[in-house]
This record gives sequence, C-alpha cells and structure tokens, in this order.
Amino acid sequence: KAGVTQTPRYLIKTRGQQVTLSCSPISGHRSVSWYQQTPGQGLQFLFEYFSETQRNKGNFPGRFSGRQFSNSRSEMNVSTLELGDSALYLCASSTGGDNQPQHFGDGTRLSIL
Amino acid sequence: QKEVEQNSGPLSVPEGAIASLNCTYSDRVSQSFFWYRQYSGKSPELIMSIYSNGDKEDGRFTAQLNKASQYVSLLIRDSQPSDSATYLCAVRIGSSYKLIFGSGTRLLVRP
Repeated sequence: KAGVTQTPRYLIKTRGQQVTLSCSPISGHRSVSWYQQTPGQGLQFLFEYFSETQRNKGNFPGRFSGRQFSNSRSEMNVSTLELGDSALYLCASSTGGDNQPQHFGDGTRLSIL
Repeated sequence: QKEVEQNSGPLSVPEGAIASLNCTYSDRVSQSFFWYRQYSGKSPELIMSIYSNGDKEDGRFTAQLNKASQYVSLLIRDSQPSDSATYLCAVRIGSSYKLIFGSGTRLLVRP
C-alpha cells in the first residue's frame, strides 16, 4: 500500500510570493491534516480536512489555507510568504475515525529568500 | 503551561539498556495518545498508540498511560544505536481531530 505522498519535496520562494503544496493520502484514508515543523516551534497543527470539509483549524493566520478534493487529495496554500514561513510542511492522513492514528508523508521543505 | 510537555533531552543510554521517555498533557478529556519517532531529516513515524490506562506492548516498545496523573510514557527495551532519534508524544485534544505534539525528546543510544 502506497504511503502518503507530498509534492514537491523542496521549494524555494521569495517574500511576497504564494505557494501551493500537495498531499495524496493513503488509499482509503479520508482525513488529511497539515502541520508546520520548525526548529523553534516544533510540530504545529495547521488544519484538518475530512470529506472535503475543514473539521479543525490551528492558530495560523489567514494566509494559510487549504482544501480537499473528492478523491481525498489535499492542497495547502500560503499567500504573501514571509521569511518566518520557512519550514518543513508535513501532511498526515488517517481514516478519520475516532482514535485513528495519523501517518505522515515525507514533507515539503519550503525555504523563503 | 504547554498542552503537551516532554523533556527535550538528550537522554543518553548505553546499548542494551531500557530507555524511558515521558510526556505530560494538560487536557483531562484527551482520549488518544501516540508516540512517533523522527530521525534527523525525516518525517515522523508512528510507533505506538494507546487509549486506555495501563500498559501496551509491541515488540521492544511499551507504552504506559495514566489518565489520572495525565502522563504517558514510552519504554524501549534492549535499546539499539538505531533507536537514536527524537521521540514525539502526540495527544488528541478532547473530541477534536487535531493532534498536539510535544517538542520531542532526543534519545542517544551509545554503542
């Protein structure tokens, strides 16, 4: 069974640009969560989607948005990039039920110049 | 107070010893608890999940949960150098579907 696939693996952008990251969950998983990981803040929850609906949202500014498609693939968009947005962005999928563990993709490393 | 707290370490143990990793959480209604392992430059990998008070064993790993004291721990028996990594504790907050992660404990197993 294929794991969680994130594309691209690496991105370099400049301040003010926007970026879209993609995540394909494990087959049969309907929940996709996004996290930001930085050395200073650790792993921080961005949002979670289930059946194309955002069920939970973390404490990030509105520049961070996401969506989920009918095939459960998800995209995350960050607009007006800031230097502080440089991070590893991780996507995790699960079946979406109670107590179900999340499985992570390899992440997208975003660098802002 | 952080929602999920872990000692950042490093925790250094000799090969073959038992490594004990601890995590405390603040939300009394949390129901699901997970341990992830993260090697440097890699993404987190699920090791164990635990939902009920007591111990849960899987190979060399044992997760322990005490909801009354609001802590969860991970024991690694017969530690190997390949176990050297950062171990992340994650807690599902209340009835939501978001996981809150601790900052992780770095484990170093000395050959």
